[in-house]
Amino acid sequence: EADIYQTPRYLVIGTGKKITLECSQTMGHDKMYWYQQDPGMELHLIHYSYGVNSTEKGDLSSESTVSRIRTEHFPLTLESARPSHTSQYLCASRPAAPGNEQFFGPGTRLTVL
Amino acid sequence: GDSVTQMEGPVTLSEEACLTINCTYTATGYPSLFWYVQYPGEGLQLLLKATKADDKGSNKGFEATYRKETTSFHLEKGSVQVSDSAVYFCALKLGNTPLVFGKGTRLSVIA
Repeated sequence: EADIYQTPRYLVIGTGKKITLECSQTMGHDKMYWYQQDPGMELHLIHYSYGVNSTEKGDLSSESTVSRIRTEHFPLTLESARPSHTSQYLCASRPAAPGNEQFFGPGTRLTVL
Repeated sequence: GDSVTQMEGPVTLSEEACLTINCTYTATGYPSLFWYVQYPGEGLQLLLKATKADDKGSNKGFEATYRKETTSFHLEKGSVQVSDSAVYFCALKLGNTPLVFGKGTRLSVIA
């Protein structure tokens, strides 16, 4: 059973609002990831972290930012939400050793009006 | 760069039909290979994996064999159920780099 949590599960907000999507895991995993999933189901890596104070941009350019101050917590922030940010956001974590399973949270479905 | 190509969906099957979802990869080294499944309204979960050539991963009646000669990792199940309806993702991992996912294949199984 994966212990990785995302809040909120659903969020509807207006354009221009600042939002933070929360992601927490209790497995002590060093590596954490954020994906954006479009309606066609394809996953796009937008941010990842290899540990505390480590953050990297992923393959898809994103206006969001992330921080990793604690091992268990990897929040994603949008300073000014726009309708183009409407999507499903998935957080994931995995242990450092290669070949190990990556665990996913249930996702946050964001709608920006 | 490294990439994964999987068959496009949607795939619609009747219950008890055989399933094959094709997956091929391009990688600069010898990756680990994975199949993840995403049920409606949920995140992804690992279905099976194989870490070296000729390994067979299996779980819940699904199987996939790591074929280095054809750079493939096709997902198979002999008899699908309605509960198998989901989106299936093939993925590879090389060293310390993030997982590389295919675009996903939606499977619908009808009773």
